[in-house]
Amino acid sequence: KAGVTQTPRYLIKTRGQQVTLSCSPISGHRSVSWYQQTPGQGLQFLFEYFSETQRNKGNFPGRFSGRQFSNSRSEMNVSTLELGDSALYLCASSLTGTTGELFFGEGSRLTVL
Amino acid sequence: AQRVTQPEKLLSVFKGAPVELKCNYSYSGSPELFWYVQYSRQRLQLLLRHISRESIKGFTADLNKGETSFHLKKPFAQEEDSAMYYCALSGPYGGSQGNLIFGKGTKLSVKP
Repeated sequence: KAGVTQTPRYLIKTRGQQVTLSCSPISGHRSVSWYQQTPGQGLQFLFEYFSETQRNKGNFPGRFSGRQFSNSRSEMNVSTLELGDSALYLCASSLTGTTGELFFGEGSRLTVL
Repeated sequence: AQRVTQPEKLLSVFKGAPVELKCNYSYSGSPELFWYVQYSRQRLQLLLRHISRESIKGFTADLNKGETSFHLKKPFAQEEDSAMYYCALSGPYGGSQGNLIFGKGTKLSVKP
């Protein structure tokens, strides 16, 4: 089985722009979670989707949003980018999201200038 | 609030020495705890979870509710154990564990 695939792997944006990141989960997995990883804060939960519905949301501002499609692929969007949004964004999938066994992608590294 | 603390950023041991990676948590309720590992140039992956009570690659972890700890142990470290280790706690949303609360990680370095 192919692993979790995230695109793009690297991107550079400037303040005020917006960005969309994509995640293709492992085939058959219906839960997709997003995490932000920074040196200072570590891994922080952004949101989780299951069957096209946002099931949980972390403590991030409304500039961070996401969605999930019927094929379980997910996208997350960050609008009005700030310097502090520079981070590695990790996507993780699981069958149902109820066991804690998450399969992570390699991440999308966002740099905001 | 739920929180996971890993007090050591870096732990360096010699091959064959015992290893203990510390993890403390705060959680109101019955926690579900996990250890994730990231080897060099690899993805973050699940190492073990406390409900399974299993030993993976020689590692074990016991949940101590009294001390609110979930330390990861291995009696004899190997060089291939060198990696970043993250302790994680299932989030506050019952029935869903797609949201994990991670500690900041401990980098384990096993010297030959």
